[in-house]
Amino acid sequence: SQTIHQWPATLVQPVGSPLSLECTVEGTSNPNLYWYRQAAGRGLQLLFYSVGIGQISSEVPQNLSASRPQDRQFILSSKKLLLSDSGFYLCAWGSVTYNSPLHFGNGTRLTVT
Amino acid sequence: AQSVAQPEDQVNVAEGNPLTVKCTYSVSGNPYLFWYVQYPNRGLQFLLKYITGDNLVKGSYGFEAEFNKSQTSFHLKKPSALVSDSALYFCAVRDDTGRRALTFGSGTRLQVQP
Repeated sequence: SQTIHQWPATLVQPVGSPLSLECTVEGTSNPNLYWYRQAAGRGLQLLFYSVGIGQISSEVPQNLSASRPQDRQFILSSKKLLLSDSGFYLCAWGSVTYNSPLHFGNGTRLTVT
Repeated sequence: AQSVAQPEDQVNVAEGNPLTVKCTYSVSGNPYLFWYVQYPNRGLQFLLKYITGDNLVKGSYGFEAEFNKSQTSFHLKKPSALVSDSALYFCAVRDDTGRRALTFGSGTRLQVQP
């Protein structure tokens, strides 16, 4: 069966520090991968998605970047965090078919102080 | 363009009563609709999806959803609510005109009172 791992679960970082959040998927090949951010326990905003190694699409211009160095690894990064980067970050994977759901990791709670 | 509306921030229901969480959508092509549940500080858990041709689809934990094409709605229902159903519920949509990412509604908090 497929599983998705996301870490760390919580992170407190000072303003101006770098960020690296990692997500890995097991049990499937060539998944579509996604980073979403959830602010204040409500709606999800799509940040990045990837259909293959090295292929990243950015949905919202901001202080973050994403990379996919391996087929089942997706990394969210920032060189210098802002207070507004605080939130709950969720990684998800999905297949290429339209009627397939996305499957989410347990998320990372990021607090920028 | 895709969009989802969940008009109720919160729904309150007594345990044992039926519940409905509303969702309407807008897409350019054919809709692919999903419901998710989220418990505190956890990721989203898939509940059910629309299956083309089925106006009533059944999912996990006794939940079901009613699809209405003319009203562009996909309401989540359960015949008898449990206290443990209290959580945040999200409706999501994609269409078949482009990317596979899901567009989510703003979420509805379901509170089931004992």
